[in-house]
Amino acid sequence: EADIYQTPRYLVIGTGKKITLECSQTMGHDKMYWYQQDPGMELHLIHYSYGVNSTEKGDLSSESTVSRIRTEHFPLTLESARPSHTSQYLCASSEIGAANEQFFGPGTRLTVL
Amino acid sequence: RKEVEQDPGPFNVPEGATVAFNCTYSNSASQSFFWYRQDCRKEPKLLMSVYSSGNEDGRFTAQLNRASQYISLLIRDSKLSDSATYLCVVRVSGSARQLTFGSGTQLTVLP
Repeated sequence: EADIYQTPRYLVIGTGKKITLECSQTMGHDKMYWYQQDPGMELHLIHYSYGVNSTEKGDLSSESTVSRIRTEHFPLTLESARPSHTSQYLCASSEIGAANEQFFGPGTRLTVL
Repeated sequence: RKEVEQDPGPFNVPEGATVAFNCTYSNSASQSFFWYRQDCRKEPKLLMSVYSSGNEDGRFTAQLNRASQYISLLIRDSKLSDSATYLCVVRVSGSARQLTFGSGTQLTVLP
């Protein structure tokens, strides 16, 4: 089993609230990623990081922001949640290297009312 | 056109059947190829990497055709536990974003 954790697993929150989705991994991986996935749809990369103090935006434009202050921790923040943010958010990590497997956390299912 | 295209299915097959999934990718600079498995409401997990020479892992065989930009996954003697969505995944050489995921092919193995 992969040692990558996400909290909360489920979150139902009202519009306008600030939320932070937590992601931690204990594998010492330098690379970490955030994906967004709607039911029955493909994963879309929204943020990634190559290491501490490195963050980049992914393919899908997102109003969320991320930070990477510690290797093991890659939180995602939404300053003002909206119903359009309702989705599943999956965190992943991998070692440096072209063909290395990405390990996924269990995901956070976010519902914004 | 999507960068990675898969037949969405669903494929409903009886236990013991052989089933094949296809995937095409559009970027000729694609370098690495994978099949991931995603169970319902769970996270994706790596099933197998796909090598140019083709590779086999038990009942699963993956093949790559670079000229046609085509990847396949064959499952023999399918089990009930094989029911899942199978994601075709591609990495483009030099791409900072790492992996591009297909939308997946849903498989249900019926008793």
